[in-house]
Amino acid sequence: NAGVTQTPKFQVLKTGQSMTLQCAQDMNHNSMYWYRQDPGMGLRLIYYSASEGTTDKGEVPNGYNVSRLNKREFSLRLESAAPSQTSVYFCASSDGQGVAFYNEQFFGPGTRLTVL
Amino acid sequence: AQKITQTQPGMFVQEKEAVTLDCTYDTSDPSYGLFWYKQPSSGEMIFLIYQGSYDQQNATEGRYSLNFQKARKSANLVISASQLGDSAMYFCAMREMESSGDKLTFGTGTRLAVRP
Repeated sequence: NAGVTQTPKFQVLKTGQSMTLQCAQDMNHNSMYWYRQDPGMGLRLIYYSASEGTTDKGEVPNGYNVSRLNKREFSLRLESAAPSQTSVYFCASSDGQGVAFYNEQFFGPGTRLTVL
Repeated sequence: AQKITQTQPGMFVQEKEAVTLDCTYDTSDPSYGLFWYKQPSSGEMIFLIYQGSYDQQNATEGRYSLNFQKARKSANLVISASQLGDSAMYFCAMREMESSGDKLTFGTGTRLAVRP
């Protein structure tokens, strides 16, 4: 099992360019998430998908769109990149069961994005 | 108000000694879970330990234990017999089942350095 995979690992964009970050999981998880990590800020949730066909905004959704393509894949799109979106992006997945059950989120290796 | 507060930006510990990383949380949700993740310099997020709000006993996983004080709303991570490989960022996170479902809220992290 590969777990959670993300592509690309690194990306440099110019202001105004667009790109899509890809994420896939092979653990048959229902829930998937996109986070960004900035120095001193911890991880902040951008968007999440509780199940195939549903997506919801997290704490910092502005400037991003997502697509839950199928149960395995959850992509994050930057339509017009800005320097403020320079960050490390993590995708994660989880089983989505109740809190009574230990239910960790499994993280991908991250994508380091720089917007010039 | 911050939902997860980690007041120690950085800490040092001598190899083989124990260290406590602080985490306090704020929620009115009766059902919640608390997680600790480790992020080494390589960047991946590694799950360490989980504590559910209804768990009667403190969670333990090998050298990791969680000092859960529900009335004080604290969930401190204790690492016993520190090793050089424990040098990393440590994040505390919370799931609030009723108000936020599967979503995690992260603290800003504590950077631990283990001295030989």
